[in-house]
Amino acid sequence: GNSVTQMEGPVTLSEEAFLTINCTYTATGYPSLFWYVQYPGEGLQLLLKATKADDKGSNKGFEATYRKETTSFHLEKGSVQVSDSAVYFCALFFPTNYGQNFVFGPGTRLSVLP
Amino acid sequence: DSGVTQTPKHLITATGQRVTLRCSPRSGDLSVYWYQQSLDQGLQFLIQYYNGEERAKGNILERFSAQQFPDLHSELNLSSLELGDSALYFCASSVSFSTNEQFFGPGTRLTVL
Repeated sequence: GNSVTQMEGPVTLSEEAFLTINCTYTATGYPSLFWYVQYPGEGLQLLLKATKADDKGSNKGFEATYRKETTSFHLEKGSVQVSDSAVYFCALFFPTNYGQNFVFGPGTRLSVLP
Repeated sequence: DSGVTQTPKHLITATGQRVTLRCSPRSGDLSVYWYQQSLDQGLQFLIQYYNGEERAKGNILERFSAQQFPDLHSELNLSSLELGDSALYFCASSVSFSTNEQFFGPGTRLTVL
C-alpha cells in the first residue's frame, strides 16, 4: 500500500544550523508529494509541494526535491530560525476512482534554540 | 488563517457518549476532509466529501460517521466514545475532489474521560 516514512524526532538545532528531515515513500503510480508544517496550537499548513519526478518545491527558505529513483522527498533549509520550531509532516497524495487520498508521515518535531 | 473554521475548539465528554464536530470549508471550496491526529497513530485520514457526496474513505471506524450539507458545511459524528478516541480532529477543504491542495482548520480537541 501507500505509505510515508519520516526520520524520527525530535530534532534539536541551534539557530542558523542546516536542517535536513528525511522522507521516503512507498506508492503505486506517481503520487504528488507535500511537506506540511504544524505550529504549536494550530492546524497544518502547506509548506511546499512537488507533483512530478525531479520537481523542486520551495517556500520560506525550505526546499525539497521529488526523487523517484530513491522514492524520497527530503526537506532542507540552509539556516533555521527559532520561528521554524514546529512539527513537519511529509505526505503523499494519490487519486482514487471517485476522490482522493492523502497519506501523512508521523511528523518530525523540530526545536530551534537561540 | 486558512479560512476553514471548526467548532468547538475543545470538547470534554465521557465514555459511551456521542458528540458532533462541525466544519465550515473555505468560501468556494466544495470538498471537505476529516482527519484524526493522536499521539500514538499520527495523522490519519478519515473521510472525504465533495458537494454533499462521500468520495473517499480512510481509516474511519464504524462508530464514526460524517456528512456534508447543502451549504457545504460538514459534521463528524462520533458515537459510543472510548478513551482511545481522545485526539485532535482536523477538517480540511479544497476546491474540488481532485485538486491536490487542501487547507486545514485549527482542529477540535476531543477528550474522552
